[in-house]
Amino acid sequence: QSALTQPRSVSGSPGQSVTISCTGTSSDVGNYNYVSWYQQHPGKAPKLMIYDVTKRPSGVPDRFSGSKSGNTASLTISGLQAEDEADYYCCSYAGSRVFGGGTKLTVL
Amino acid sequence: QVQLVQSGSELKEPGASVKVSCKASGYTFTSFAMNWVRQAPGQGLEFLGWINTGTGNPTYAQGFTGRFVFSLDTSVSTAYLQISGLKAEDTALYYCASFGMPTPGKPFDYWGQGTLVTVSS
Repeated sequence: QSALTQPRSVSGSPGQSVTISCTGTSSDVGNYNYVSWYQQHPGKAPKLMIYDVTKRPSGVPDRFSGSKSGNTASLTISGLQAEDEADYYCCSYAGSRVFGGGTKLTVL
Repeated sequence: QVQLVQSGSELKEPGASVKVSCKASGYTFTSFAMNWVRQAPGQGLEFLGWINTGTGNPTYAQGFTGRFVFSLDTSVSTAYLQISGLKAEDTALYYCASFGMPTPGKPFDYWGQGTLVTVSS
C-alpha cells in the first residue's frame, strides 16, 4: 500500500478555517469509511481527532470536522487557534493501515 | 487509566539487533491488537504492522517482513518489536499503539511514548 497524499503545509490566521486534504485510491479511502485524522505536537505521540471519516472522539472540539469525496478525505479546522499549530496525519484503516505523509499547520 | 509504557532509547551499531518492549496496563491486554508505527527524524508516520494479542499471530506491512518480528508475553501484558540487521535508515522513534472500538462511538486509541532507536557506528 502506498502512503496517502497530503499537502506538506497549510497555514491560516487565528479565527480562520483551513482544510487539509488526503488523497488515496479506490482500494482504501475511496471504498471504505475508515479514515482517521491525528494531531501531533512536537515531541508528543499522535492524538486521534477524527475517526470513521466524520466522527469526533469525546473531548475533541467541534471546530474539527471530517469529510470525504471520492478518493479524497478532508479535515477542516474552523476558528483556528494558536494551539492547533501541529502536524496532522490522515490514516486509512480498511484492512491494514496506511498513513498520509503529514501536513504541517502553521497558525500565522 | 490505559497506559502503554515503552522501553528506553537504544543506540546500536549497523548490523546489530534491538528489542523494544511495550507494557500495557489499565485494560485487558488480549482485547485489542498491538500495532507498531515508526517515525524517522523529521518524517511522517509509517505503519509496520500488528499482532493479534489473543492468538499471537503477527501481520507485517509491506516492506517490513524478514528483519522485523512482533512477539508477546501475555503473562505480563507486554508486546515486543525485534529488529535484526539494523541499518542507518532504521533510525526512528518506534511507537506501539492499540486501536479498537469496544463500544460504538467510543474508539479505543492509545499510543506509547515512543522508543528512539539510533543506528550509528
